[in-house]
Amino acid sequence: GDSVTQMEGPVTLSEEAFLTINCTYTATGYPSLFWYVQYPGEGLQLLLKATKADDKGSNKGFEATYRKETTSFHLEKGSVQVSDSAVYFCALSDLTGGFKTIFGAGTRLFVKA
Amino acid sequence: GAVVSQHPSWVICKSGTSVKIECRSLDFQATTMFWYRQFPKQSLMLMATSNEGSKATYEQGVEKDKFLINHASLTLSTLTVTSAHPEDSSFYICSASAGLASNEQFFGPGTRLTVL
Repeated sequence: GDSVTQMEGPVTLSEEAFLTINCTYTATGYPSLFWYVQYPGEGLQLLLKATKADDKGSNKGFEATYRKETTSFHLEKGSVQVSDSAVYFCALSDLTGGFKTIFGAGTRLFVKA
Repeated sequence: GAVVSQHPSWVICKSGTSVKIECRSLDFQATTMFWYRQFPKQSLMLMATSNEGSKATYEQGVEKDKFLINHASLTLSTLTVTSAHPEDSSFYICSASAGLASNEQFFGPGTRLTVL
């Protein structure tokens, strides 16, 4: 079945450092890919998405490119801030799966001032 | 963007009682709603999928009689945890889909349940 694998955390960075969180997926169909962010004590918020190969999703300085050839959707940000500290979830949703969203395990990011 | 609300945001109850959690799509009609459970520092575990007017589809290992799901309208789904026990304490999150081509789900803020 469909699955999402993302790098284990926690990831600890200093402010203004470059961030990469790796995410790879397996899917039988042509999924849409998502990154969600969860701040402490809160629900999930959609950070960005891409619906087809080579699409680049971007928001708040974060970006990720849908790479079908490597089945990847790595999250990047050029300069992180303390306020970016949160848990980041990579996810996919496949039409053939009835709109179910499959989540990765989540990567916790700590950004130090 | 589409907004999904949950009520209550947190609840504390005694062991053996039942708790109902509401999930509402505020500005769109949700053809499908999902219920997730999240343990501390873990990912979301899909519990069930519900379509308006039909019975929910539960994931393997989720007790149907313990976690009752009702999706009576296109804007409201409820999850009732029956005869709650301390091991049911968790963060419950719902999401709603309008069946968009992008397969996007919109998530509620979550409900933290603590069973004493």
